[in-house]
Amino acid sequence: AQTVTQSQPEMSVQEAETVTLSCTYDTSENNYYLFWYKQPPSRQMILVIRQEAYKQQNATENRFSVNFQKAAKSFSLKISDSQLGDTAMYFCATPVLDGGSQGNLIFGKGTKLSVKP
Amino acid sequence: DTAVSQTPKYLVTQMGNDKSIKCEQNLGHDTMYWYKQDSKKFLKIMFSYNNKELIINETVPNRFSPKSPDKAHLNLHINSLELGDSAVYFCASSLSANEQFFGPGTRLTVL
Repeated sequence: AQTVTQSQPEMSVQEAETVTLSCTYDTSENNYYLFWYKQPPSRQMILVIRQEAYKQQNATENRFSVNFQKAAKSFSLKISDSQLGDTAMYFCATPVLDGGSQGNLIFGKGTKLSVKP
Repeated sequence: DTAVSQTPKYLVTQMGNDKSIKCEQNLGHDTMYWYKQDSKKFLKIMFSYNNKELIINETVPNRFSPKSPDKAHLNLHINSLELGDSAVYFCASSLSANEQFFGPGTRLTVL
């Protein structure tokens, strides 16, 4: 069964600094997607960044980038120049691709990030 | 343009009641989902459904039932509500096993 582990329940960072959130996963698939979702206090789930496992290049979206280590099954999120609006829960997720599944997401337990002024 | 919408956003009800949460997506996606987020923020799949097949997470009580009148809608019906059903319920949709687009969530409070 696929699993996703986020080992940092809470983190804080000063505004304008850089922070890295960790995520490890386990899957027997060779081709899959990995996602980071952000959930601010408004509770809306917002896709931050997506990585396709067959792509060796790390995904980047403006201030957000990932460090994808396929062999180590690691998928960390780096937020550069942190802003107050980055304060949120961050979830790492991957679709279940087992036979019979329709690709529902397996989530980590989340990391609560606080950006301090 | 709301991609995935849910109604209501807040639902407060008494134990034992029956309630429904509606979900609609205008993205043309072929698969829709219901997730439950508990008080510790943990997200877990409840159902996934495309126009051919419903897959139910075996841990979901049969008091919960999804109903899809058409490809763009997947409503959640809950019978005989219990205190432990209090949570945030998210609807989502996707095209194949790709990124999922989430609704705004429905916070259900059972008194």
